[in-house]
Amino acid sequence: KAGVTQTPRYLIKTRGQQVTLSCSPISGHRSVSWYQQTPGQGLQFLFEYFSETQRNKGNFPGRFSGRQFSNSRSEMNVSTLELGDSALYLCASSLGTSGIETQYFGPGTRLLVL
Amino acid sequence: EDQVTQSPEALRLQEGESSSLNCSYTVSGLRGLFWYRQDPGKGPEFLFTLYSAGEEKEKERLKATLTKKESFLHITAPKPEDSATYLCAVQSADTGGGNKLTFGTGTQLKVEL
Repeated sequence: KAGVTQTPRYLIKTRGQQVTLSCSPISGHRSVSWYQQTPGQGLQFLFEYFSETQRNKGNFPGRFSGRQFSNSRSEMNVSTLELGDSALYLCASSLGTSGIETQYFGPGTRLLVL
Repeated sequence: EDQVTQSPEALRLQEGESSSLNCSYTVSGLRGLFWYRQDPGKGPEFLFTLYSAGEEKEKERLKATLTKKESFLHITAPKPEDSATYLCAVQSADTGGGNKLTFGTGTQLKVEL
């Protein structure tokens, strides 16, 4: 079974631009969660989508948004990029049907904001 | 607010030298505690899920245990290929049925020959 895939793997943007990252979950998984990983803060939860609806949201500003499509693929968007948005963005998928599930992570998209 | 603290931040071991990594947590109703391994430039790789105090799980040279306040990841006779960052995460009952994980900052393990 193919794992979680994320595109692109690397991205360089400048301050003020916007960016869209994509995540394809494991086949059959309906929940997709997004995390930001930085050296100082570690892994922080951004949001989770299940059946095209946002089910949970972390403490990030409204510049961070996401969506999920009917095939469970998900995108996250960051508008008006800031230098502090430079990070590894990880997506994780799970079945989404029970309360405690293992989340499987993709390789991440490394974003550098100049 | 859920909190996860891992110690030590970094650990250097000789091959074969067993040790333990600690993960202490504060959570409003633990639904599950997860251990992941992360290699440089890659996403976290799932290792274990623990659900209740007293539970233990093993996989090769790794054994995870859980109490009401902390979890330990015991590494027995480690090899250089065990070098990685080990991450601990909790899922609380306060997530409205969702999958939010709160992570610690990890323990960076280096195993030398």
